[in-house]
Amino acid sequence: GQSLEQPSEVTAVEGAIVQINCTYQTSGFYGLSWYQQHDGGAPTFLSYNALDGLEETGRFSSFLSRSDSYGYLLLQELQMKDSASYFCAVRDNAGNNRKLIWGLGTSLAVNP
Amino acid sequence: DTEVTQTPKHLVMGMTNKKSLKCEQHMGHRAMYWYKQKAKKPPELMFVYSYEKLSINESVPSRFSPECPNSSLLNLHLHALQPEDSALYLCASSQAPVYNEQFFGPGTRLTVL
Repeated sequence: GQSLEQPSEVTAVEGAIVQINCTYQTSGFYGLSWYQQHDGGAPTFLSYNALDGLEETGRFSSFLSRSDSYGYLLLQELQMKDSASYFCAVRDNAGNNRKLIWGLGTSLAVNP
Repeated sequence: DTEVTQTPKHLVMGMTNKKSLKCEQHMGHRAMYWYKQKAKKPPELMFVYSYEKLSINESVPSRFSPECPNSSLLNLHLHALQPEDSALYLCASSQAPVYNEQFFGPGTRLTVL
């Protein structure tokens, strides 16, 4: 089957660094994406890794290791507004490559 | 314009009603999606349109009927829904064939009584 695993909850304090891991098991792989969703809001695209290594966008970085079927999202200098759900997603190419397989999401709580 | 718009924001309907959800994007994207999302769950794909043709139907019940009148518009027609269909309905778009980066609209919060 196809699945993505990520922690259900993470708690951190303002100014800290937090890493949200994602391991995947899929029949094909066209890249790992990360989305942020605040309560009551819509998912917002954060990053995409197609190749191994680290991608940095401001306070957020995303890492991928295809040999380990593993990636993570790193959030630095945490702010209260980073409290949200974070989803990893892998593009599926089994039969049709036009959809994402989503993880169950990680709820991040940033405390003062 | 980097926005996906959806109307209405909220919708309450009875099980015998017929209603439609609307979605619009002006980013020139050629793939558009309907997702259903329940609280504390990831978005669940319902339909994908690619170049205005239905390319994926994730075995969605026929009481949900999608329509893509043109490359900017996506509709979801609702009829004879069940209370368990109450959810947030999200529209998204992406540049075909790049599907990893999807732009989501704010969603329609649907309640079926």
